[in-house]
Amino acid sequence: KQEVTQIPAALSVPEGENLVLNCSFTDSAIYNLQWFRQDPGKGLTSLLLIQSSQREQTSGRLNASLDKSSGRSTLYIAASQPGDSATYLCAVFGPNDYKLSFGAGTTVTVRA
Amino acid sequence: GAVVSQHPSWVICKSGTSVKIECRSLDFQATTMFWYRQFPKQSLMLMATSNEGSKATYEQGVEKDKFLINHASLTLSTLTVTSAHPEDSSFYICSARGRQGAFYGYTFGSGTRLTVV
Repeated sequence: KQEVTQIPAALSVPEGENLVLNCSFTDSAIYNLQWFRQDPGKGLTSLLLIQSSQREQTSGRLNASLDKSSGRSTLYIAASQPGDSATYLCAVFGPNDYKLSFGAGTTVTVRA
Repeated sequence: GAVVSQHPSWVICKSGTSVKIECRSLDFQATTMFWYRQFPKQSLMLMATSNEGSKATYEQGVEKDKFLINHASLTLSTLTVTSAHPEDSSFYICSARGRQGAFYGYTFGSGTRLTVV
């Protein structure tokens, strides 16, 4: 069974600092990995989708890397802003079915 | 990009009544949709996989008679919480697999906050 772990569980940084969020998974035979953002009481917003054949994806201040062989992904958020405060979830798809396996999330607080 | 609409956003109902939550894929067809439940400060728990034109597949421990799922078309899945009780109060989220850029990924609805009083 796929297990997804996110470290740290919570993170508090001053505005402007770069954020590094880690995700690890036990079965490396995934099809893809997605990073999501969830604001309190809201649904999930997809941030980045990385296919298993890719090593990274970038969107604006966000960059996500994937090392499939070691079962790790890292989400980098450059020059953090208070609006980045949210819970960030990592999820992997595959290898055995069409279900997403989620990590528990990292709750980020960016202090103004 | 793929958009999933979920309604209602929040609902309050009396104990013993039933509540229906709708999940629609707006700009794509979804043969498979997923229903999740989320408790405060916890991650998402998959409840069931909704399959268009056939029965839903429930995860272990989820009561299929309490959480009725219907996926009658390629763009609509519904979750009905029957005979709701206060312990059913939770945040319910649906998702579907659709195109995101050049690839397929999962898109989530905005969630439904259910409070049973």
